Amino acid sequence: AQSVAQPEDQVNVAEGNPLTVKCTYSVSGNPYLFWYVQYPNRGLQFLLKYITGDNLVKGSYGFEAEFNKSQTSFHLKKPSALVSDSALYFCAVQVFSGGYNKLIFGAGTRLAVHP
Amino acid sequence: NAGVTQTPKFQVLKTGQSMTLQCAQDMNHEYMSWYRQDPGMGLRLIHYSVGAGITDQGEVPNGYNVSRSTTEDFPLRLLSAAPSQTSVYFCASSYGEVAGGLKLFFGSGTQLSVL
Repeated sequence: AQSVAQPEDQVNVAEGNPLTVKCTYSVSGNPYLFWYVQYPNRGLQFLLKYITGDNLVKGSYGFEAEFNKSQTSFHLKKPSALVSDSALYFCAVQVFSGGYNKLIFGAGTRLAVHP
Repeated sequence: NAGVTQTPKFQVLKTGQSMTLQCAQDMNHEYMSWYRQDPGMGLRLIHYSVGAGITDQGEVPNGYNVSRSTTEDFPLRLLSAAPSQTSVYFCASSYGEVAGGLKLFFGSGTQLSVL
């Protein structure tokens, strides 16, 4: 089955430290991968995507993600965390099923950045 | 620019009642979808549409019905509400360019409680 996994329910990091939010995937073929962020009482917002090309992709708010095909991972990173980065982060993979494309989301990881 | 608009924001139903969650987008997106968000389970796809007159089932379609008569609107109908349908519902749309991946734009959500 095609799926995406986020192994950590919550990640805690001090402000100014680097952060990593983990994501692994299981799909056939070349994956299209995404990260979305959800702030309290809001809908999800697109952060970045990997389609093809450079394994390190840059996105909004200083976030980046590294695609690793051998480890089937797409971890989200930021060199220096801000308190305002505290939110719920979702990894997603695009799958082709039933003749159409659709996004499958992971369970989400709550990021808490402490002052 | 309104983007994706969902109504209502909050709704309380009694078991067995029916209702329609409204979703409208003003970006001329062909692709629209409905997700439900439950704690620890992330977002699960209910139904989606790749254009007017075309809909298909997602991961958890039972108890829900959709139709797509116009590009702008994609309502979600609960036929006979059950407590298991208590959730936060998100509508999302995309320009559906497969080569660039499905970059979803989300509404702000509808919080539904079924008693």
